[in-house]
Amino acid sequence: QQQVKQSPQSLIVQKGGIPIINCAYENTAFDYFPWYQQFPGKGPALLIAIRPDVSEKKEGRFTISFNKSAKQFSLHIMDSQPGDSATYFCAASDGGYGQNFVFGPGTRLSVLP
Amino acid sequence: DAGVTQSPTHLIKTRGQQVTLRCSPKSGHDTVSWYQQALGQGPQFIFQYYEEEERQRGNFPDRFSGHQFPNYSSELNVNALLLGDSALYLCASSFMGEIYNQPQHFGDGTRLSIL
Repeated sequence: QQQVKQSPQSLIVQKGGIPIINCAYENTAFDYFPWYQQFPGKGPALLIAIRPDVSEKKEGRFTISFNKSAKQFSLHIMDSQPGDSATYFCAASDGGYGQNFVFGPGTRLSVLP
Repeated sequence: DAGVTQSPTHLIKTRGQQVTLRCSPKSGHDTVSWYQQALGQGPQFIFQYYEEEERQRGNFPDRFSGHQFPNYSSELNVNALLLGDSALYLCASSFMGEIYNQPQHFGDGTRLSIL
């Protein structure tokens, strides 16, 4: 119930491609879905987040698509660059006072020049 | 504007020892959460502190304990260290101004190695 599933485990795209990372959850109490980017030796950095009252959110080259009925959400990276090579984590939280975030296992993205 | 700072950056301990990790939250933040990130995995929630009290706890044994100080900084203590405690320990801070989700900002972590 508390798990967030993430796929693929790794992804390789050419520069300019559009990598897509998918996540799925079971707990319908989750109501906040952030994506984090992590470079080696660094902590996760918040990229973009969405709440279930919208189906899509775009910030720069990053877009989240959200399907509440399917309990799935995905990250699209437009015009990917070699600098986007990192590990990406989706997460979910059930809000309220506790802010208990559950993270997916991560996707290692490599963008080839 | 300083972000979340953690110390030390690296630490080596032996089995059975005790360790204390420290975290200073981002300016303006009043809530600190601690996570354990094993190699190649996503962060796992340990616990969260607000108003100097533990508000929520993940599935971690009592060997893991913490504290929050009046200036919002926090410590994570781990007793009776096991080999499996080797991981990157991340601190995240946020603002509990509204009773709703607020973005968490992470530090770069403390890499703990148990020999």
